Amino acid sequence: ILNVEQSPQSLHVQEGDSTNFTCSFPSSNFYALHWYRWETAKSPEALFVMTLNGDEKKKGRISATLNTKEGYSYLYIKGSQPEDSATYLCARKWGKLIFGQGTELSVKP
Amino acid sequence: GAVVSQHPSRVICKSGTSVKIECRSLDFQATTMFWYRQFPKKSLMLMATSNEGSKATYEQGVEKDKFLINHASLTLSTLTVTSAHPEDSSFYICSAKVSRVHEQYFGPGTRLTVT
Repeated sequence: ILNVEQSPQSLHVQEGDSTNFTCSFPSSNFYALHWYRWETAKSPEALFVMTLNGDEKKKGRISATLNTKEGYSYLYIKGSQPEDSATYLCARKWGKLIFGQGTELSVKP
Repeated sequence: GAVVSQHPSRVICKSGTSVKIECRSLDFQATTMFWYRQFPKKSLMLMATSNEGSKATYEQGVEKDKFLINHASLTLSTLTVTSAHPEDSSFYICSAKVSRVHEQYFGPGTRLTVT
C-alpha cells in the first residue's frame, strides 16, 4: 500500500489568517494528485488535480503546489474565512485513488 | 454541474437484514462509479470499481457476496450490504467519473448503522 500522509490532522485558525498544510506521498511512479474539500454533510468537492512536478494551481484564495521528486504537495489558504472550515483531503492516483486521512480546518470568526 | 446524489443519507437496520444504497450521477453519464468506505478516524478506502454493464472489480479483502454492486445504467449504481452485521456499520460514499477525465465527483455519503 502506498501510504498518503497529511499533516497536521487538525488546525484551528482565526479569520484572516493564512494557513497551509501538507500531503506526503511516495514519489515513485507518480501519476496525479487530487485535492478535495469536504464540508460536513456535503459531498467532497474537487479542488485540484495536479500532474506535473512544479505545478502550481489556484482557485480563489486557495492554491496548491506539487513536488513529485520529493513526494509532497502543499495546500495554501490565504486570508482564511469561516466558510473555509472543512476537511481537506488529498489523494494520490495509483490505479485507484489512495486518500490521506485529511486535515480538519476550523476558522474562527 | 457534475452532481452525484446518494440515497439514503442515513439508515439504521437490524442485524441480518440487507440494505441498498443508491448512487446517481444527476447531470452527466458516468462511465465508472466507485464505492468507498470510511472507518472512524480513517481515510476513505476504495471497496470496488464498477463500469456500466459489467461486473464490479473488488479490492482485496472486500467480500463480493457481502457487498453487492450493480451498475445497470450510466447514471445509477447500487451497493447492497447483504445480511448486515454491526461491524458493517460505517460511512459509505460513492463517486463517479467519465472516461479520460481525471476528476471523480463524490456523493454526500450514507451513514449505515446496524443494530
